[in-house]
Amino acid sequence: DQQVKQNSPSLSVQEGRISILNCDYTNSMFDYFLWYKKYPAEGPTFLISISSIKDKNEDGRFTVFLNKSAKHLSLHIVPSQPGDSAVYFCAANFFGNEKLTFGTGTRLTIIP
Amino acid sequence: SQTIHQWPATLVQPVGSPLSLECTVEGTSNPNLYWYRQAAGRGLQLLFYSVGIGQISSEVPQNLSASRPQDRQFILSSKKLLLSDSGFYLCAWRTPGRYEQYFGPGTRLTVT
Repeated sequence: DQQVKQNSPSLSVQEGRISILNCDYTNSMFDYFLWYKKYPAEGPTFLISISSIKDKNEDGRFTVFLNKSAKHLSLHIVPSQPGDSAVYFCAANFFGNEKLTFGTGTRLTIIP
Repeated sequence: SQTIHQWPATLVQPVGSPLSLECTVEGTSNPNLYWYRQAAGRGLQLLFYSVGIGQISSEVPQNLSASRPQDRQFILSSKKLLLSDSGFYLCAWRTPGRYEQYFGPGTRLTVT
């Protein structure tokens, strides 16, 4: 049972435009959500997170939106840059749980 | 600041040979520690996690084992490697009570 889903395996965006990566979840217990960025042959890097008590969190070019009623979160990157080309994983957890549940990832390609 | 080390960076091993991958964390105490595997073109699969010395939880029954002989040391082992053990192995740590996990640089294992 895939509790965290990233339904788009890949996404291509023109440099300078907005990249929107989506993630859906099914477990109502999740109360914290994270986004990671991964380059090939490297470990994932933590990007940004959001608690379920918020609906938006912003950090520079990165903004995460959470819609609890729809069990949906999205990562917006504005403006997109070539260095943003990577695989992005969303992850979720709940209080007291030792493990993160990861989505399957979306490969973002920024076109110069 | 905290840092996480993994070695070796790459490894080529024949089928049936033993395996030992090591992970160490610096700059923190009593971290939760995790081993993940990413098979080619796939997502992140949690293999083992540990909340303390000698405490190991296994997520996927398989040909691998893990040990935590010291607070900040996590070892992934196998007595006899299979072709299916090939992949990118990632170690991660987390401060207990916080949600974010931080990943090491990874080990590329190729079983031939």
